[in-house]
Amino acid sequence: DAGVTQSPTHLIKTRGQQVTLRCSPKSGHDTVSWYQQALGQGPQFIFQYYEEEERQRGNFPDRFSGHQFPNYSSELNVNALLLGDSALYLCASSLASGANVLTFGAGSRLTVL
Amino acid sequence: QKEVEQNSGPLSVPEGAIASLNCTYSDRGSQSFFWYRQYSGKSPELIMFIYSNGDKEDGRFTAQLNKASQYVSLLIRDSQPSDSATYLCAVGVSGNTPLVFGKGTRLSVIA
Repeated sequence: DAGVTQSPTHLIKTRGQQVTLRCSPKSGHDTVSWYQQALGQGPQFIFQYYEEEERQRGNFPDRFSGHQFPNYSSELNVNALLLGDSALYLCASSLASGANVLTFGAGSRLTVL
Repeated sequence: QKEVEQNSGPLSVPEGAIASLNCTYSDRGSQSFFWYRQYSGKSPELIMFIYSNGDKEDGRFTAQLNKASQYVSLLIRDSQPSDSATYLCAVGVSGNTPLVFGKGTRLSVIA
C-alpha cells in the first residue's frame, strides 16, 4: 500500500522564482494538508484541501497557493520566492472523517539562494 | 494565538531507562493530542494520539493527558538507541481544525 509520495525531494531556486511541489496521498485518503518546517522548528500549517477546495488556511501570504485534483493529488505553488521560504515542505494526507490523523510524505526540501 | 510548548532538549537517557517527554498547550478548547517521531532528515511519523484525560498505552509508549493542567506527556519505557529522534507534540481544537505543532524535543538514548 503506497504511502504519501512527494516530488521533487530536493530543489534549489533563486529569489523571485516560482516553485511547484507535488503530492499523492495515501491510498484511500481524500484530504491533503501542506506544512512548512523550517530548520529546528515544528511543522507550520499552510493549507488543507478537500473535494478540490481549500478548506482551511494558515497564516501564510497569498504567494502560497495550492490545488487538489479529482484523484486527490495536490500541488503547492510558491511565487516570488524569498530566502525565508527555504524549508522542508511536508504533505500529509488523511480521511475527512478523521482529518487530524495525518500520514506525512517524505517532504520536499526547498533551498532558496 | 494557539501555542504548543516543548522543551527543545536534548534529553539524554541511558538505554533501558524511561524517557519522559512533556508538552503544554494554550487553547483550553483543544480536543485531540498527537505525538509524532521525526528522525533527522526524515518526515514525522505518528506514534499515538489521545483524546481523553488519563493514560493510553501502546507497546512501550504511554501518552498521558491532563486537560485541566493543559499538559500532555509521552513516556517511552525501555528506551533504545533507535528511539533517538525528535518528538513532536501536536494539538487540535476539533477533528477538522489543523494541528498546531510544538518545536519538538530531541531525545538521545545512550547505549
